[in-house]
Amino acid sequence: EAGVTQFPSHSVIEKGQTVTLRCDPISGHDNLYWYRRVMGKEIKFLLHFVKESKQDESGMPNNRFLAERTGGTYSTLKVQPAELEDSGVYFCASSLRAYMNTEAFFGQGTRLTVV
Amino acid sequence: SQQGEEDPQALSIQEGENATMNCSYKTSINNLQWYRQNSGRGLVHLILIRSNEREKHSGRLRVTLDTSKKSSSLLITASRAADTASYFCAWGFNKFYFGSGTKLNVKP
Repeated sequence: EAGVTQFPSHSVIEKGQTVTLRCDPISGHDNLYWYRRVMGKEIKFLLHFVKESKQDESGMPNNRFLAERTGGTYSTLKVQPAELEDSGVYFCASSLRAYMNTEAFFGQGTRLTVV
Repeated sequence: SQQGEEDPQALSIQEGENATMNCSYKTSINNLQWYRQNSGRGLVHLILIRSNEREKHSGRLRVTLDTSKKSSSLLITASRAADTASYFCAWGFNKFYFGSGTKLNVKP
């Protein structure tokens, strides 16, 4: 069974440009989460989808970040325009049941560098 | 902040020794989980301990949970060089929160 897949694995962009990250969850997992780790600090929650609906987006830092999950399958996270402080590793996770009731499977992450 | 702390931030030991990492959290929990991140890779789930459990074992891993102190510990026994990684605890009730992580280096 395929795990959670994220594209690209690395992205280097200039400040002001747009970047779109993609996450393919494990098939059948309704719950999809985005997290990020900035500058080697703690891993912070961004948002949670249940199917195509945003269940909790309280961790989204500002309106430069837009997450979508059309059709309840893969998800994209767009940063527009990117700023230097957006650099970090963006993780996606999926789970069969919500939140802490079950194990979440994480992707390998997308390392974003904004220069 | 809803984040917690892990200590030590970094730990360097010899192969064969035991490694203990501690995690303190701030919120109510349903259960607590431990994850490992190898350099440049994603997070790998290690073990889940429910809030009504005090101790759990999985192979060379032993996790304890003290909900009265809002703390957990992860013990890796007979460590191997392949255990070198960052270790994170994760907890929450309605969403995941992660600790700051412990960077473990096991020297061969």
